[in-house]
Amino acid sequence: GESVGLHLPTLSVQEGDNSIINCAYSNSASDYFIWYKQESGKGPQFIIDIRSNMDKRQGQRVTVLLNKTVKHLSLQIAATQPGDSAVYFCAEEGFQKLVFGTGTRLLVSP
Amino acid sequence: KAGVTQTPRYLIKTRGQQVTLSCSPISGHRSVSWYQQTPGQGLQFLFEYFSETQRNKGNFPGRFSGRQFSNSRSEMNVSTLELGDSALYLCASRISGDTEAFFGQGTRLTVV
Repeated sequence: GESVGLHLPTLSVQEGDNSIINCAYSNSASDYFIWYKQESGKGPQFIIDIRSNMDKRQGQRVTVLLNKTVKHLSLQIAATQPGDSAVYFCAEEGFQKLVFGTGTRLLVSP
Repeated sequence: KAGVTQTPRYLIKTRGQQVTLSCSPISGHRSVSWYQQTPGQGLQFLFEYFSETQRNKGNFPGRFSGRQFSNSRSEMNVSTLELGDSALYLCASRISGDTEAFFGQGTRLTVV
């Protein structure tokens, strides 16, 4: 069945470190992936997306890597800041819907 | 540009009652999806509408229903509420499928 999973439920980093959040997906036919950030009391906020014809995409301080061979997705956050503390979800495009991973909580300490 | 607006933000209902939640998508977005978020199940897809037509439905009982109006605004309805329906209900809008999805703040439903 469809599933998008995350390896680590909680990631703790120091301010200024680089953070890497991982995600595994199961549908090899998926061609669109999105990373979301969700802060307490808010809806998910779009961070970055990538299509299956790409291996890497960069945004402001964030990079998404896609490894289709092992069906793995990662989000890299450079110079992590306290404001980056949140839950991060990867999502896989299904048929007119998004299939979300379980989420990773990122804790950034000063 | 206004974002996705969901109303109300909070609701408390009693078991057996019904509830209607509203979502106004970003202007120009014709696709509206609904998701249920709970600590135990995470984000689960409920249904998706495009131009007033439901194109996909998640694995939820028939008590959960929705509709979309000609102005792309959408409502979802839950009848005969159960305690397990307590959740954050999120609406997402897209220009069409397979593009960036933008979420509203959600409606926090508590069933007592």
